[in-house]
Amino acid sequence: KAGVTQTPRYLIKTRGQQVTLSCSPISGHRSVSWYQQTPGQGLQFLFEYFSETQRNKGNFPGRFSGRQFSNSRSEMNVSTLELGDSALYLCASSLGPRGLANYGYTFGSGTRLTVV
Amino acid sequence: ELKVEQNPLFLSMQEGKNYTIYCNYSTTSDRLYWYRQDPGKSLESLFVLLSNGAVKQEGRLMASLDTKARLSTLHITAAVHDLSATYFCAVDIWGAQKLVFGQGTRLTINP
Repeated sequence: KAGVTQTPRYLIKTRGQQVTLSCSPISGHRSVSWYQQTPGQGLQFLFEYFSETQRNKGNFPGRFSGRQFSNSRSEMNVSTLELGDSALYLCASSLGPRGLANYGYTFGSGTRLTVV
Repeated sequence: ELKVEQNPLFLSMQEGKNYTIYCNYSTTSDRLYWYRQDPGKSLESLFVLLSNGAVKQEGRLMASLDTKARLSTLHITAAVHDLSATYFCAVDIWGAQKLVFGQGTRLTINP
């Protein structure tokens, strides 16, 4: 069973540029959520998508956006990059219906973004 | 706003010793997760605790949940070097579709 696939693994971008990260969830999983990890702020929630709908959004500026496609793959976009956007971006895949006993989150390997 | 606090944040211990990591959270929740992260790597799921009094064990790690005290513990028994990593607890709030993480506990086990 394939895991959560994030691409690319590493990115180096220049301030002011924009970037798009991709996440393919585990087959059958309909929920994808995104997290930013930095040494200073730890792991912070960005947003969550289920069946192409954003259900929740974290406290990040509008430069951070995302979407989910009909095949459950998700992308997040960061525009007008700032140095502080340098981080490990993790996506997590879950089945979706929270009532399931085996409900849980499986994380991808992450995309390490460096803004110079 | 939900807050999740772990302690200690740093832990250096000798092989063969026992220790406990604590995770306190501020709002009612019925679901708590423990993850392990190795340097430069992603989060590996260790335990999902679904109800009050839940206890799960895997090898030298045992996790428990007390929803009334809003406390979870991760107990390490007879530590070995391979357990060196950063451990995170995370709380899942009904209806929020998100995890709120603790700060992480960096565990170093010395021979």
